[in-house]
Amino acid sequence: EAGVAQSPRYKIIEKRQSVAFWCNPISGHATLYWYQQILGQGPKLLIQFQNNGVVDDSQLPKDRFSAERLKGVDSTLKIQPAKLEDSAVYLCASSLATGGGADTQYFGPGTRLTVL
Amino acid sequence: AQKVTQAQTEISVVEKEDVTLDCVYETRDTTYYLFWYKQPPSGELVFLIRRNSFDEQNEISGRYSWNFQKSTSSFNFTITASQVVDSAVYFCALSEAGYQKVTFGTGTKLQVIP
Repeated sequence: EAGVAQSPRYKIIEKRQSVAFWCNPISGHATLYWYQQILGQGPKLLIQFQNNGVVDDSQLPKDRFSAERLKGVDSTLKIQPAKLEDSAVYLCASSLATGGGADTQYFGPGTRLTVL
Repeated sequence: AQKVTQAQTEISVVEKEDVTLDCVYETRDTTYYLFWYKQPPSGELVFLIRRNSFDEQNEISGRYSWNFQKSTSSFNFTITASQVVDSAVYFCALSEAGYQKVTFGTGTKLQVIP
């Protein structure tokens, strides 16, 4: 079974530029998550989708970050414009969504973003 | 509010030594789930174990074992006879029933020296 796919693996941009990350979850997984992991810290949830609806985006900086999952499968996370503090690894995860917090999340390899 | 504390920032051990990674959690729910993930240098978070709050049985999987104690709100992870391939950052995480959000600890970086 294929795991969670992400691209690109690495991205270097200048501040104020835009960037987009793509994620394809494990087949059949209804729930998709985007996390931000700053060096030396644990992952922080940015947004959670169940199918194509948003479940939680309370920690997404909506003035510059946006995400969509139009067909309930793959997803795109965008940053526009990027700031220096956005330098981090962006992790995508998916789960079956059996509900009740019992889901195990499976993670992709991440995209390492460097903002200069 | 849920919280996970991993007090050990970095641990170094010599190969074949046993090592225990500590995890302490806080939650108001009676039903919750605890997880351990491994993050090797490649960056991908690898799922190791999930435990629900009603199952306090310790678990052993090869060289890995987990000790869940509700009385002390701890879910510690022991690697027996450590190997260089165990070098990674290990994260403990918690989710509460009825709420899909997972809270991660800050991680413990384990270095196994040959």
